[in-house]
Amino acid sequence: AQKITQTQPGMFVQEKEAVTLDCTYDTSDPSYGLFWYKQPSSGEMIFLIYQGSYDQQNATEGRYSLNFQKARKSANLVISASQLGDSAMYFCAMREGFAGNQFYFGTGTSLTVIP
Amino acid sequence: GAGVSQSPRYKVAKRGQDVALRCDPISGHVSLFWYQQALGQGPEFLTYFQNEAQLDKSGLPSDRFFAERPEGSVSTLKIQRTQQEDSAVYLCASSLNSGRTSTDTQYFGPGTRLTVL
Repeated sequence: AQKITQTQPGMFVQEKEAVTLDCTYDTSDPSYGLFWYKQPSSGEMIFLIYQGSYDQQNATEGRYSLNFQKARKSANLVISASQLGDSAMYFCAMREGFAGNQFYFGTGTSLTVIP
Repeated sequence: GAGVSQSPRYKVAKRGQDVALRCDPISGHVSLFWYQQALGQGPEFLTYFQNEAQLDKSGLPSDRFFAERPEGSVSTLKIQRTQQEDSAVYLCASSLNSGRTSTDTQYFGPGTRLTVL
């Protein structure tokens, strides 16, 4: 079974609107971390936001927030007030257990912001 | 303010050649990871170092792939007798690994795009 599933290959959003990118995960480990990365056409993976499995509140970082629904095993990324520079691939990733373990990545969602 | 750096950024090899890809992690980061990203896919784990010790190499696709980090900082991923299916972007990531999960974010380099002809 896939550890991380991203079901939206491509998404479009109007500039200044909000957009939600979906991510579901599969693990039996009670301790895990969820991460979102942005990968522009230049190729570098840019860290956006982190959510720990024991965190009580949803993570927020500027215009990025994570809608963490533990019972549903989902960790959707919400980008508010989209900007043209947000156009990129977005990857959801999970680390099981603690520091030092590998990340499992989804197949990504390509986001295009329309002016 | 150096992040993770990788060299070369692009490498073209003829089938059967050996290649070496270099990664300079963020200074002070204990953990170092190598991932392979095929076109249109997410990164897939290759191997992991904690300091100079290679603790997990379960993702290396064959014995043609070899990685080292002899002094616990710079790492080299070597691919012997390259094949066309080795064509991909090779990403290196490092993390602090302080023991606190919130600081275990992996920071990625720009990657090396390998094309095997």
